[in-house]
Amino acid sequence: AAGVIQSPRHLIKEKRETATLKCYPIPRHDTVYWYQQGPGQDPQFLISFYEKMQSDKGSIPDRFSAQQFSDYHSELNMSSLELGDSALYFCASSLKHGAGYTFGSGTRLTVV
Amino acid sequence: ELKVEQNPLFLSMQEGKNYTIYCNYSTTSDRLYWYRQDPGKSLESLFVLLSNGAVKQEGRLMASLDTKARLSTLHITAAVHDLSATYFCAVDQNRDDKIIFGKGTRLHILP
Repeated sequence: AAGVIQSPRHLIKEKRETATLKCYPIPRHDTVYWYQQGPGQDPQFLISFYEKMQSDKGSIPDRFSAQQFSDYHSELNMSSLELGDSALYFCASSLKHGAGYTFGSGTRLTVV
Repeated sequence: ELKVEQNPLFLSMQEGKNYTIYCNYSTTSDRLYWYRQDPGKSLESLFVLLSNGAVKQEGRLMASLDTKARLSTLHITAAVHDLSATYFCAVDQNRDDKIIFGKGTRLHILP
């Protein structure tokens, strides 16, 4: 069965650089969520999209932005990267009124 | 604001023993999730509990939900080393919302 695809799997950036993370949801899933998980931490909700519109916003820094495209894939854009942005970034998808969220394998971002 | 609390946060146990992880949440919810995460890996869905009194079992793991007490348990029976991982419970406040995670329980099973 198709899963949630995230790319890249690993990314190394320097401070003040920009990064773009991509997420391809399960086919026919209409909602995408982004989470950030720091070392030894629980996943923290960043932002979500339903039918290409932002549906909810969590603790996402102003330096980050995201969008969902017409094919339902989503991108998380991160600018002016800081050392503290180093984390695992997960994307999850679901049906709006379905049960369960499926998480991608994550992108490990390291800022040096 | 929805809060999700797990305990214990760390658990070291011998193989063959039984133990229970607890998950409390602060506001009404009708969905509770349990995930397993191995170090540096993704979140693997274990159980989705949808109603009061729901009980689900998979191998040595059994999860239950008491929505009146706002409590879920994850019971481990006759633990084996392969179950060593971090276990997260997560709750959504309503069917349209994101899920909020507990801090996780880091389980280490000694051979």
